[in-house]
Amino acid sequence: EAGVAQSPRYKIIEKRQSVAFWCNPISGHATLYWYQQILGQGPKLLIQFQNNGVVDDSQLPKDRFSAERLKGVDSTLKIQPAKLEDSAVYLCASSLVPDRQETQYFGPGTRLLVL
Amino acid sequence: GQNIDQPTEMTATEGAIVQINCTYQTSGFNGLFWYQQHAGEAPTFLSYNVLDGLEEKGRFSSFLSRSKGYSYLLLKELQMKDSASYLCAVRDREDNAGNMLTFGGGTRLMVKP
Repeated sequence: EAGVAQSPRYKIIEKRQSVAFWCNPISGHATLYWYQQILGQGPKLLIQFQNNGVVDDSQLPKDRFSAERLKGVDSTLKIQPAKLEDSAVYLCASSLVPDRQETQYFGPGTRLLVL
Repeated sequence: GQNIDQPTEMTATEGAIVQINCTYQTSGFNGLFWYQQHAGEAPTFLSYNVLDGLEEKGRFSSFLSRSKGYSYLLLKELQMKDSASYLCAVRDREDNAGNMLTFGGGTRLMVKP
């Protein structure tokens, strides 16, 4: 079974530029999550989708971050404009619903460096 | 608010046993997860507890006490490849509609020969 795919793996941009990340979840997984993981910290949930609807985006900085999941499969996360403090790894995860443990499976992440 | 605490770093010797503790204070509780994350890689699922007690999976075991807001991950017969960060995460939604996890900062474990 293929895992969660993300691209690009690495991105370097200057502050005030825009950037977009792409995620393809495990086939059949209805729930998709975007996390931000700053170096040395645990992942922080930014947004959760159930199919193509948003379940929770309370921690998404909506003035600069946006995300969509058209057709309930792939998702994109965009930052516009980027700030220095956005430097982090952006992890995408998916889970199968219903599932007893609802384990989340993570992709390899996109490392973003904002200069 | 949500608060999940775990030690920042631990060091242990190859072949030994190590216990990584996690305490949590969350608005609700619907399960606790442990993930392993090697440097530069994605977190991978290790264990899940929703009822009090011990869950054993090979060399790894996880314990939960809901009344104390406490969990630990026990790693036996440590191997060098166990050097990684261990993340404690709590699912605090009661209705299963969210499945949102709140993560602790992670414990970086270094296994020495």
